[in-house]
Amino acid sequence: KQEVTQIPAALSVPEGENLVLNCSFTDSAIYNLQWFRQDPGKGLTSLLLIQSSQREQTSGRLNASLDKSSGRSTLYIAASQPGDSATYLCAVRPASGTYKYIFGTGTRLKVLA
Amino acid sequence: EPEVTQTPSHQVTQMGQEVILRCVPISNHLYFYWYRQILGQKVEFLVSFYNNEISEKSEIFDDQFSVERPDGSNFTLKIRSTKLEDSAMYFCASTQKVRRMYTDTQYFGPGTRLTVL
Repeated sequence: KQEVTQIPAALSVPEGENLVLNCSFTDSAIYNLQWFRQDPGKGLTSLLLIQSSQREQTSGRLNASLDKSSGRSTLYIAASQPGDSATYLCAVRPASGTYKYIFGTGTRLKVLA
Repeated sequence: EPEVTQTPSHQVTQMGQEVILRCVPISNHLYFYWYRQILGQKVEFLVSFYNNEISEKSEIFDDQFSVERPDGSNFTLKIRSTKLEDSAMYFCASTQKVRRMYTDTQYFGPGTRLTVL
């Protein structure tokens, strides 16, 4: 059964720091992986989607990498800003004919001004 | 940018009552989903819907739950007889294209917070 874990659970950094959020999954057979942002009491906003054939995706200050064989993905945030404060979730779509995503536990990020 | 909308934003109900949560997916999307998030826990998949039928459902999605696309725009989740443990944030999501090894970005709505008393 696919399990998705995110480390750390919470992170507090000063503004301007570069940071890395980690996501690991137990079964490397996935079709793709998405990183989401969730603001308190709000929905999920998709940040980056990496298909299984891709190694990384970039959007602005965000870069996500995928190492399927080791069951890992990282989300790199460059030059963090207070507006980046949110919970970051990763989710995988298992390669078992399923349509669903399995979500990780999330990393709660706080960027201090 | 097109977005998924959900109503109501917050629903309070008594245990045993029926509730209907409503979603309007993005207009050209073909695949629709419901997820839920109990406070402090992971986002969990409930059901996916394509071509007017359920394509997949989780163990959570028992006989108390049903989904419907009553017209060309709305997508609803009905809980027939709510329990205390149904209290959660319910998210609707849609995506345009799903193929065997490829999925478009999933777009999520803002959620409906369901409180069962």
